[in-house]
Amino acid sequence: DTAVSQTPKYLVTQMGNDKSIKCEQNLGHDTMYWYKQDSKKFLKIMFSYNNKELIINETVPNRFSPKSPDKAHLNLHINSLELGDSAVYFCASRNSGGNTGELFFGEGSRLTVL
Amino acid sequence: GNSVTQMEGPVTLSEEAFLTINCTYTATGYPSLFWYVQYPGEGLQLLLKATKADDKGSNKGFEATYRKETTSFHLEKGSVQVSDSAVYFCALSDRGSQGNLIFGKGTKLSVKP
Repeated sequence: DTAVSQTPKYLVTQMGNDKSIKCEQNLGHDTMYWYKQDSKKFLKIMFSYNNKELIINETVPNRFSPKSPDKAHLNLHINSLELGDSAVYFCASRNSGGNTGELFFGEGSRLTVL
Repeated sequence: GNSVTQMEGPVTLSEEAFLTINCTYTATGYPSLFWYVQYPGEGLQLLLKATKADDKGSNKGFEATYRKETTSFHLEKGSVQVSDSAVYFCALSDRGSQGNLIFGKGTKLSVKP
């Protein structure tokens, strides 16, 4: 059983399109994240939700809109895609009640904007 | 603010060589410290962690000791294998970051046979 699963794993699309990436975790965690990893492997946090409530919203263009229908799911919708959006997007989750802060990551969704 | 600084890569070693990847941090309070590893084409996974000063985290032959006096958490392995080739991330978590992880920029390790 995959603990944190993302779909799709690969996404190739044209500039200007709108796309979504979905994430689901079956670990019973109450906090989920989206991270962006650029070509140099640098990881940048984008959003965090705790029990469906947005708690972190970093400086991200408002073309990016997260949605959490329940605490096991966190989706990312991107409008009007730009070349610079090409990256690997990672979903992660943790239990905020835990005392170590360990994150569990999905395998990533590689987005290529042409 | 909280931050993590780790040595820039890439690091290229021969099999069975000794590995050190330096990591230092800046944080308010007493953070927990982590090393994550990302194998090619995969997500990050926890390699080891330490939650208080002088703790030593260890896993798969890797070790790191939480040094509060030098604010460091250097990763070491006595004899690397080709299968250790990956990107390694140092990270911290503390109340100043609401328990969320702050990552270093990652260090790519390549081990040659």
